[in-house]
Amino acid sequence: QSVLTQPPSASGTPGQRVTISCSGSSSNIGSNNVYWYQQLPRTAPKLLISTDNQRPSGVPDRFSGSKSGTSASLAISGLRSEDEADYYCAAWDDSLSASYVFGTGTKVTVL
Amino acid sequence: QLQLQESGPGLVKSSETLSLTCTVSGGSISTYAYYWGWIRQPPGKGLEWIGNIYYTGSTHYNPSLKSRVTMSVDTSKNQFSLNLSSVTAADTAVYYCARHVGRTQLWSHPDFWGQGTLVTVSS
Repeated sequence: QSVLTQPPSASGTPGQRVTISCSGSSSNIGSNNVYWYQQLPRTAPKLLISTDNQRPSGVPDRFSGSKSGTSASLAISGLRSEDEADYYCAAWDDSLSASYVFGTGTKVTVL
Repeated sequence: QLQLQESGPGLVKSSETLSLTCTVSGGSISTYAYYWGWIRQPPGKGLEWIGNIYYTGSTHYNPSLKSRVTMSVDTSKNQFSLNLSSVTAADTAVYYCARHVGRTQLWSHPDFWGQGTLVTVSS
């Protein structure tokens, strides 16, 4: 069972802004960097956001990340059909023995 | 261009050991601040981090799998491997190898993934 909780689904029409939340605790998001991954259908995950809010080279600026306290968010502005995918947050959790943990995942549907 | 390719049996019998190898091309596995790891995804479910290894052989495993996991690295072949012992049906998943990047192994994060390989555990 993941220690990072995400809503199972989110949706929007083309051009809209969609926000996905990621709720954690002081041992993960509250004290470590947050990462976001995009998994298109039948493909491997791809790093979308690094260290809370940094976009790796090639990631459109429509994607943005933020963090406050023990929660983080991913925003997709100007939603496009090709953004339909599963999105996962992730962070190191340093309770007891440290481990890299993923969120429960959010399926984004473009209506 | 960096490529990671998983290889190994697609079917493993229950109670046996799952063994996978990841071959790295387009870059050296012995690069400073790059670590090499495994992540799995059961069919229709979310992602689970298994662990990572540095080219020196230093490892860090997910505590929930630590008793069954062994990772190794072969710098001469630019490969690293995963062994997961005493498998059950719950270990059926797509297994991804991934490069991790970071100043330290403990706080590194996966930044580039292989395409994944499905391993099914049969009874």
